[in-house]
Amino acid sequence: AQSVTQLDSQVPVFEEAPVELRCNYSSSVSVYLFWYVQYPNQGLQLLLKYLSGSTLVESINGFEAEFNKSQTSFHLRKPSVHISDTAEYFCAVSRNTDKLIFGTGTRLQVFP
Amino acid sequence: KAGVTQTPRYLIKTRGQQVTLSCSPISGHRSVSWYQQTPGQGLQFLFEYFSETQRNKGNFPGRFSGRQFSNSRSEMNVSTLELGDSALYLCASSPRAASYEQYFGPGTRLTVT
Repeated sequence: AQSVTQLDSQVPVFEEAPVELRCNYSSSVSVYLFWYVQYPNQGLQLLLKYLSGSTLVESINGFEAEFNKSQTSFHLRKPSVHISDTAEYFCAVSRNTDKLIFGTGTRLQVFP
Repeated sequence: KAGVTQTPRYLIKTRGQQVTLSCSPISGHRSVSWYQQTPGQGLQFLFEYFSETQRNKGNFPGRFSGRQFSNSRSEMNVSTLELGDSALYLCASSPRAASYEQYFGPGTRLTVT
């Protein structure tokens, strides 16, 4: 069975500081990995995904995540956060043709 | 294209009642999945419908049920509501069955008192 662990339920950070949101997964087979973002009172939006190929994937708004197979991790990073990045971030895993399994989420709070 | 829409956005019900939530997928999408989001449990998969057939189901009691219509719109029903059913219910649509490519609606916030 697959599972996803997001160890940090909340991450407070000041604007323009770097941030890392951690995600670890467990699976006995190859998986696809995702990060979703949920802004207040909205549904989830796909931020970035790893399917295959380059282990470093990037989003259009400056976030990046690196797939590390040996550490079974898919941490999300941004070198300089903005107030507008305040949201809840969910890591998710899926095998091909299977449902998404989500982590419990990390609330990123960016302070001015 | 219009996104996934869910109605109603907010709902307050009493224990023991039943509730029906509605989801309209993105035009052309034939798969609809439902998730329950709570602060303690995070996002949990309820079920997926594709071409009017339930093709996958999560670990929820039989009080939770759903269906999909020929136009791909889906409804989810919860009978005999319990306090623990208070949650944000999210619907996601996808062009294919069992796809990681899911587009989420804004959710229905259900409060059971």
